[in-house]
Amino acid sequence: DARVTQTPRHKVTEMGQEVTMRCQPILGHNTVFWYRQTMMQGLELLAYFRNRAPLDDSGMPKDRFSAEMPDATLATLKIQPSEPRDSAVYFCASGGALQGTQYFGPGTRLLVL
Amino acid sequence: AQSVTQLGSHVSVSEGALVLLRCNYSSSVPPYLFWYVQYPNQGLQLLLKYTTGATLVKGINGFEAEFKKSETSFHLTKPSAHMSDAAEYFCAVSALDTNAGKSTFGDGTTLTVKP
Repeated sequence: DARVTQTPRHKVTEMGQEVTMRCQPILGHNTVFWYRQTMMQGLELLAYFRNRAPLDDSGMPKDRFSAEMPDATLATLKIQPSEPRDSAVYFCASGGALQGTQYFGPGTRLLVL
Repeated sequence: AQSVTQLGSHVSVSEGALVLLRCNYSSSVPPYLFWYVQYPNQGLQLLLKYTTGATLVKGINGFEAEFKKSETSFHLTKPSAHMSDAAEYFCAVSALDTNAGKSTFGDGTTLTVKP
């Protein structure tokens, strides 16, 4: 049963620290998405990649967030420096079909103190 | 460009009652439409999708949705609610255009099921 995996599942850190979240997309999927979910803003698209190339990162605060795909089996989302307003659940999703079905990981719950 | 509007951020039904969650979309090209469900502390998972063909689509857990092009709607229904249906539901739209693979999500509807 192929699944998207995310690590860590939970992260508590202090303001100013670097946070790195990792995602392993489903093998063979060529599209990867990063979302952020909060009670106030709901589900927000931060960035997405196709064939490891970034297609759209307009939803991401550029001064502190960065997203990369070092290879086809790993996507990373980094926050440096982190701020309390970054506290949220961050989801990675992958997709392999042009029709757009996305398969979500379990999320990384981030708390920045 | 696509957009989705989910009518009603919260819906409450009694166990055994009909579930109806409303979704209207906007798309400049033929749309692909999805419903996802999110249980507490989990990621979203696909309930059902419409791509082409039959406009009445059946999904998991007894849910179904009907694509109505004239009304630009894709409402989700279930004849009889179960306590385990309590969750947040998201409608989404994508299209086979330059952003193929990317979906636009609605704001979500939280379904509460009362015993």
